[in-house]
Amino acid sequence: QQKVQQSPESLIVPEGGMASLNCTSSDRNVDYFWWYRQHSGKSPKMLMSIFSNGEKEEGRFTVHLNKASLHTSLHIRDSQPSDSALYLCAASDTNTGKLTFGDGTVLTVKP
Amino acid sequence: NSKVIQTPRYLVKGQGQKAKMRCIPEKGHPVVFWYQQNKNNEFKFLINFQNQEVLQQIDMTEKRFSAECPSNSPCSLEIQSSEAGDSALYLCASSPDKNERLFFGHGTKLSVL
Repeated sequence: QQKVQQSPESLIVPEGGMASLNCTSSDRNVDYFWWYRQHSGKSPKMLMSIFSNGEKEEGRFTVHLNKASLHTSLHIRDSQPSDSALYLCAASDTNTGKLTFGDGTVLTVKP
Repeated sequence: NSKVIQTPRYLVKGQGQKAKMRCIPEKGHPVVFWYQQNKNNEFKFLINFQNQEVLQQIDMTEKRFSAECPSNSPCSLEIQSSEAGDSALYLCASSPDKNERLFFGHGTKLSVL
Protein backbone atom coordinates (compact mmCIF):
# COMPACT_ATOMS: atom_id res chain seq x y z
CA GLN A 1 0.00 0.00 0.00
CA GLN A 2 1.22 3.45 -0.93
CA LYS A 3 1.79 5.37 2.30
CA VAL A 4 2.82 8.64 0.68
CA GLN A 5 0.44 10.02 -1.93
CA GLN A 6 1.40 12.89 -4.18
CA SER A 7 -0.80 14.98 -6.42
CA PRO A 8 -1.06 15.89 -9.14
CA GLU A 9 0.88 13.26 -11.08
CA SER A 10 1.94 15.90 -13.56
CA LEU A 11 1.67 19.65 -13.76
CA ILE A 12 2.31 22.18 -16.48
CA VAL A 13 2.75 25.84 -15.56
CA PRO A 14 3.83 28.84 -17.63
CA GLU A 15 7.16 30.49 -16.95
CA GLY A 16 6.67 32.97 -14.14
CA GLY A 17 3.65 31.12 -12.80
CA MET A 18 3.01 29.40 -9.47
CA ALA A 19 3.35 25.64 -9.12
CA SER A 20 1.62 23.91 -6.21
CA LEU A 21 2.38 20.31 -5.33
CA ASN A 22 0.69 18.19 -2.66
CA CYS A 23 1.69 15.27 -0.49
CA THR A 24 -0.09 13.28 2.21
CA SER A 25 1.11 10.42 4.36
CA SER A 26 -1.20 7.71 5.66
CA ASP A 27 1.34 6.57 8.25
CA ARG A 28 0.63 8.22 11.61
CA ASN A 29 4.20 7.45 12.74
CA VAL A 30 5.81 9.91 10.37
CA ASP A 31 6.97 13.19 11.79
CA TYR A 32 9.32 14.66 9.19
CA PHE A 33 8.70 15.59 5.58
CA TRP A 34 11.16 16.17 2.82
CA TRP A 35 10.94 17.47 -0.72
CA TYR A 36 13.49 16.25 -3.25
CA ARG A 37 13.92 17.32 -6.85
CA GLN A 38 15.17 15.00 -9.57
CA HIS A 39 16.07 16.40 -12.96
CA SER A 40 15.89 13.98 -15.87
CA GLY A 41 18.82 11.58 -15.84
CA LYS A 42 20.11 12.91 -12.54
CA SER A 43 19.93 11.78 -8.93
CA PRO A 44 17.47 13.33 -6.47
CA LYS A 45 18.62 16.32 -4.44
CA MET A 46 16.97 17.61 -1.29
CA LEU A 47 15.11 20.89 -1.71
CA MET A 48 13.48 21.50 1.63
CA SER A 49 12.44 19.75 4.81
CA ILE A 50 9.83 20.54 7.42
CA PHE A 51 8.76 19.02 10.72
CA SER A 52 6.86 21.80 12.45
CA ASN A 53 3.34 22.95 11.70
CA GLY A 54 3.25 26.00 9.53
CA GLU A 55 5.27 27.37 6.71
CA LYS A 56 8.89 27.60 5.70
CA GLU A 57 10.20 29.77 2.87
CA GLU A 58 13.50 29.62 1.03
CA GLY A 59 13.75 31.92 -1.94
CA ARG A 60 11.06 31.03 -4.49
CA PHE A 61 10.12 27.86 -2.61
CA THR A 62 7.59 27.63 0.23
CA VAL A 63 6.64 24.50 2.12
CA HIS A 64 3.56 24.10 4.30
CA LEU A 65 2.89 21.35 6.82
CA ASN A 66 -0.26 20.34 8.65
CA LYS A 67 0.79 17.67 11.12
CA ALA A 68 -2.77 16.80 12.11
CA SER A 69 -3.62 15.77 8.55
CA LEU A 70 -0.06 14.73 7.66
CA HIS A 71 -0.30 16.93 4.60
CA THR A 72 2.50 18.97 3.13
CA SER A 73 2.59 21.16 0.07
CA LEU A 74 5.36 22.75 -1.96
CA HIS A 75 4.80 26.01 -3.78
CA ILE A 76 7.17 27.41 -6.36
CA ARG A 77 6.59 31.00 -7.34
CA ASP A 78 8.00 32.63 -10.47
CA SER A 79 8.57 29.18 -11.95
CA GLN A 80 11.48 28.82 -14.34
CA PRO A 81 12.07 26.26 -17.11
CA SER A 82 14.98 24.96 -15.02
CA ASP A 83 12.43 23.98 -12.35
CA SER A 84 11.09 21.33 -14.74
CA ALA A 85 11.79 18.05 -12.94
CA LEU A 86 10.31 15.22 -10.90
CA TYR A 87 9.41 16.43 -7.41
CA LEU A 88 9.47 13.73 -4.77
CA CYS A 89 7.91 13.99 -1.35
CA ALA A 90 9.28 11.77 1.40
CA ALA A 91 8.05 11.12 4.91
CA SER A 92 10.20 9.78 7.68
CA ASP A 93 9.56 8.04 10.94
CA THR A 94 12.33 9.43 13.10
CA ASN A 95 12.10 6.47 15.47
CA THR A 96 13.05 3.92 12.84
CA GLY A 97 14.72 6.21 10.32
CA LYS A 98 12.65 4.74 7.52
CA LEU A 99 12.10 7.20 4.71
CA THR A 100 9.21 6.53 2.34
CA PHE A 101 8.94 8.33 -0.97
CA GLY A 102 5.83 9.16 -2.94
CA ASP A 103 5.61 8.51 -6.67
CA GLY A 104 6.35 12.12 -7.48
CA THR A 105 4.90 14.98 -9.47
CA VAL A 106 6.37 15.76 -12.87
CA LEU A 107 6.53 19.52 -13.24
CA THR A 108 6.95 21.12 -16.65
CA VAL A 109 7.49 24.85 -16.86
CA LYS A 110 6.78 26.15 -20.36
CA PRO A 111 8.69 29.21 -21.60
CA ASN B 1 28.93 16.36 -8.27
CA SER B 2 27.74 13.53 -6.06
CA LYS B 3 30.10 12.38 -3.34
CA VAL B 4 28.26 9.07 -3.10
CA ILE B 5 29.95 6.80 -5.60
CA GLN B 6 27.99 4.00 -7.21
CA THR B 7 29.41 1.39 -9.55
CA PRO B 8 28.80 0.28 -12.16
CA ARG B 9 26.65 2.97 -13.83
CA TYR B 10 25.07 0.36 -16.09
CA LEU B 11 24.62 -3.36 -15.56
CA VAL B 12 23.13 -5.84 -18.02
CA LYS B 13 22.23 -9.35 -16.88
CA GLY B 14 20.29 -12.31 -18.16
CA GLN B 15 17.38 -13.73 -16.20
CA GLY B 16 18.60 -15.94 -13.40
CA GLN B 17 22.02 -14.30 -13.24
CA LYS B 18 23.47 -12.58 -10.20
CA ALA B 19 23.64 -8.82 -10.28
CA LYS B 20 25.89 -6.96 -7.89
CA MET B 21 26.28 -3.25 -7.45
CA ARG B 22 28.39 -1.20 -5.08
CA CYS B 23 28.18 2.07 -3.23
CA ILE B 24 30.77 4.14 -1.41
CA PRO B 25 28.93 6.51 0.92
CA GLU B 26 30.06 10.06 1.48
CA LYS B 27 32.89 10.21 4.00
CA GLY B 28 31.60 10.45 7.55
CA HIS B 29 28.13 9.20 6.68
CA PRO B 30 27.29 6.08 8.70
CA VAL B 31 23.77 5.73 7.31
CA VAL B 32 23.16 4.16 3.91
CA PHE B 33 19.88 3.60 2.08
CA TRP B 34 19.13 1.57 -1.05
CA TYR B 35 16.14 2.42 -3.21
CA GLN B 36 14.81 0.97 -6.44
CA GLN B 37 13.36 3.47 -8.93
CA ASN B 38 11.38 1.89 -11.77
CA LYS B 39 10.70 3.31 -15.22
CA ASN B 40 7.56 5.01 -13.88
CA ASN B 41 9.75 6.90 -11.38
CA GLU B 42 8.25 4.97 -8.47
CA PHE B 43 10.61 4.70 -5.50
CA LYS B 44 10.76 1.53 -3.48
CA PHE B 45 12.69 1.36 -0.22
CA LEU B 46 14.87 -1.75 -0.07
CA ILE B 47 17.10 -1.57 2.97
CA ASN B 48 19.00 0.83 5.18
CA PHE B 49 22.05 0.53 7.38
CA GLN B 50 23.63 2.41 10.21
CA ASN B 51 27.30 1.55 10.18
CA GLN B 52 27.26 -2.19 9.48
CA GLU B 53 23.88 -2.87 11.07
CA VAL B 54 20.63 -3.28 9.14
CA LEU B 55 18.01 -0.83 10.38
CA GLN B 56 15.11 -1.92 8.19
CA GLN B 57 14.52 -3.96 5.09
CA ILE B 58 11.50 -5.00 3.09
CA ASP B 59 10.37 -8.57 2.55
CA MET B 60 11.61 -8.58 -1.02
CA THR B 61 15.07 -7.84 0.19
CA GLU B 62 14.99 -10.80 2.53
CA LYS B 63 14.44 -13.28 -0.29
CA ARG B 64 16.41 -12.66 -3.50
CA PHE B 65 18.16 -9.50 -2.48
CA SER B 66 21.10 -9.29 -0.12
CA ALA B 67 23.00 -6.24 1.01
CA GLU B 68 25.84 -5.40 3.31
CA CYS B 69 27.92 -2.45 4.44
CA PRO B 70 31.17 -3.88 5.81
CA SER B 71 33.57 -1.56 7.58
CA ASN B 72 36.34 -0.18 5.36
CA SER B 73 34.73 -1.60 2.21
CA PRO B 74 32.04 -0.41 -0.19
CA CYS B 75 28.44 -1.24 0.57
CA SER B 76 26.88 -3.67 -1.86
CA LEU B 77 23.48 -4.80 -3.08
CA GLU B 78 23.21 -8.15 -4.80
CA ILE B 79 20.30 -9.82 -6.55
CA GLN B 80 20.82 -13.56 -6.43
CA SER B 81 18.67 -14.53 -9.41
CA SER B 82 17.69 -11.56 -11.54
CA GLU B 83 14.21 -11.28 -12.97
CA ALA B 84 12.92 -8.99 -15.73
CA GLY B 85 10.95 -7.04 -13.14
CA ASP B 86 14.19 -6.12 -11.38
CA SER B 87 15.15 -3.84 -14.26
CA ALA B 88 15.33 -0.42 -12.65
CA LEU B 89 17.62 2.30 -11.38
CA TYR B 90 19.13 1.35 -8.04
CA LEU B 91 19.93 4.39 -5.97
CA CYS B 92 22.22 4.44 -2.99
CA ALA B 93 22.07 7.37 -0.60
CA SER B 94 24.03 8.22 2.51
CA SER B 95 23.41 10.51 5.44
CA PRO B 96 25.20 11.72 8.58
CA ASP B 97 22.25 10.47 10.64
CA LYS B 98 19.13 8.40 10.00
CA ASN B 99 17.01 11.53 10.38
CA GLU B 100 19.09 13.84 8.23
CA ARG B 101 18.80 14.58 4.53
CA LEU B 102 19.95 11.96 2.06
CA PHE B 103 22.73 12.45 -0.44
CA PHE B 104 22.18 10.27 -3.49
CA GLY B 105 24.62 8.65 -5.85
CA HIS B 106 24.04 8.62 -9.60
CA GLY B 107 22.60 5.14 -9.43
CA THR B 108 23.20 1.83 -11.16
CA LYS B 109 20.84 1.18 -14.04
CA LEU B 110 20.13 -2.54 -14.18
CA SER B 111 18.68 -4.13 -17.29
CA VAL B 112 17.62 -7.77 -17.03
CA LEU B 113 17.15 -9.25 -20.48
